[in-house]
Amino acid sequence: AQSVTQPDIHITVSEGASLELRCNYSYGATPYLFWYVQSPGQGLQLLLKYFSGDTLVQGIKGFEAEFKRSQSSFNLRKPSVHWSDAAEYFCAVVLKAAGNKLTFGGGTRVLVKP
Amino acid sequence: DTEVTQTPKHLVMGMTNKKSLKCEQHMGHRAMYWYKQKAKKPPELMFVYSYEKLSINESVPSRFSPECPNSSLLNLHLHALQPEDSALYLCASSQGWDNTEAFFGQGTRLTVV
Repeated sequence: AQSVTQPDIHITVSEGASLELRCNYSYGATPYLFWYVQSPGQGLQLLLKYFSGDTLVQGIKGFEAEFKRSQSSFNLRKPSVHWSDAAEYFCAVVLKAAGNKLTFGGGTRVLVKP
Repeated sequence: DTEVTQTPKHLVMGMTNKKSLKCEQHMGHRAMYWYKQKAKKPPELMFVYSYEKLSINESVPSRFSPECPNSSLLNLHLHALQPEDSALYLCASSQGWDNTEAFFGQGTRLTVV
């Protein structure tokens, strides 16, 4: 079945430490790939997106993501986490062959320890 | 202006009430969306409007009725809801139906009592 998976439900990281959030997709073709962040009770904000080209994508708030076709992955990274990065992070895909619907992974909740 | 504005931010309604959620964008986007998000879950697509016409209804119960009066506005009319319909309702828009980048509003927190 076509899907997007975020294997980690929760991640706890110390402030100043690095962060990596995993995202895997299972589609026949490479979809458009996105990472969104959601603070409690708020809407979603786009961090970055990948359509084609350079596989290392820079986003807002110091985030970057790397597309690896061989692993069907699009992992999100940040070198040094700030307390304000505590939020829910969603990986999402759009596949034209699947009707252009934005499909979300289950999300990863990031907790930041002081 | 890169904002999608949703009103109200919070809504409490009884199961016999009729209410409406509103969404507005002034980015010239021609696709607009309604999503429903339950606690600790990802958003689920409900409806898609493309060029002011309903293009996708994800088998949503008829007690939810969308309306797109013009290219900037999207409404969601609510009638005879159930407590399980309590959720965060998110509106989003994108330049076209190819969904290359969707902008989300802050959502309406709906509680059905």
